Formats: sequence, C-alpha cells, structure tokens
Amino acid sequence: IAGITQAPTSQILAAGRRMTLRCTQDMRHNAMYWYRQDLGLGLRLIHYSNTAGTTGKGEVPDGYSVSRANTDDFPLTLASAVPSQTSVYFCASAPVGGDATGELFFGEGSRLTVL
Amino acid sequence: GQNIDQPTEMTATEGAIVQINCTYQTSGFNGLFWYQQHAGEAPTFLSYNVLDGLEEKGRFSSFLSRSKGYSYLLLKELQMKDSASYLCAVRDSNYQLIWGAGTKLIIKP
Repeated sequence: IAGITQAPTSQILAAGRRMTLRCTQDMRHNAMYWYRQDLGLGLRLIHYSNTAGTTGKGEVPDGYSVSRANTDDFPLTLASAVPSQTSVYFCASAPVGGDATGELFFGEGSRLTVL
Repeated sequence: GQNIDQPTEMTATEGAIVQINCTYQTSGFNGLFWYQQHAGEAPTFLSYNVLDGLEEKGRFSSFLSRSKGYSYLLLKELQMKDSASYLCAVRDSNYQLIWGAGTKLIIKP
C-alpha cells in the first residue's frame, strides 16, 4: 500500500538553485495540494489542483509553480530558491464527489533547507 | 479575514480526559476537520463534523456548534502515544481549508 509518496524526504540546497519536489499518489484522487508548514503557523496552501490538467493558486504561491499532467503526479518547483522557502512541504490528495468528506491524505513530507 | 483559534499547548495526565477547543471565523462553512500530527510526521485524519452535535469514534469525540463557531476534540483514557499536535481545519464557502496553528498535547505519566 503506497498511498501518497513524496521525494526527496530531505534536501539542503543553495539559494538561487532550482528544485522540484515530487509527489505521486496511487489512490486515483482527483484533488491534490501542496502545503508548507512552519513552526507556529498553520498549514499554508501553496498550490492546488482539483483535477488533472487544472491548477490553482493558494495562499502563498509566489516563488512556486506546479503542473498536473495526469491524475497521479503533482510536482512542485521552486524556480530560484530563497532562504524564506526553508520549510517542511506536504503534498496531500483528496477524493472528491460522492460520499467523500474530502479528508486529506498526506505524504510524509519533504524537509527543505535553503542556505 | 478568516481565522482559526486553538490553544498553543496543553498538558494532561495519562489515563485522564482532555478537551481541545477550536473557534473559527470563516467565509461560510462546509465542514470542520480534526487531524493528529506526531512530531516529524504527516497529519492524519481524525474526525469530520458538518452538522451540530457530537461525533464519537472510540476514545476520540468531536463536537460542533455552527452557531457559535466552535468545536472541541475530546480525548478519553489518554495514552502516552496521544502526545501529538492536533490541528483544527474548517472548509469555507469556496471549499478551501483554513487551518489552525495546532495544539501541542503533552501527556505526562
């Protein structure tokens, strides 16, 4: 049982470098999300996708981009990393429609440090 | 603006009962969620309330009052493994989740 997988689990990178965090789910969930979690703050939504082929901006989208070419994959790219992007990043997915409550299923997280 | 308030930290004793409160002010309401997050791990779903009242699931119960913008998570027969952060989240009229900062629950023997 895989569920939702993120990679890498941890990464240190220099400011200015480009970085892609990968996220794959095998639950055939329509909706996928990227959050960042910082100490003392709630989860903040970066980008989301309600279905393959569509994406939307969340609360803190600047400096990040996403794509949703298919149902399973939802990568998050930092075009030019800055120290303020040091955080723990969580990918999540949710079933939509029918009797689904819309509960989120989270990946294990990617801890990113930008120096 | 939209806001979710919950206590930053609580301490309780093993075997006891603890209630974690959550108050919210959001643009519309389409359900309230509670998640558990152990240190260094991902959040996991605990409960969902969309109608007023109490939802019970084993040792955990969640209560909702939409008119008061209030929910609580009740944990009974506390175990050491219940030491974790508990996150309250509300789905607004746009079906976006608004998250509280979480309540860190410390269980002492």
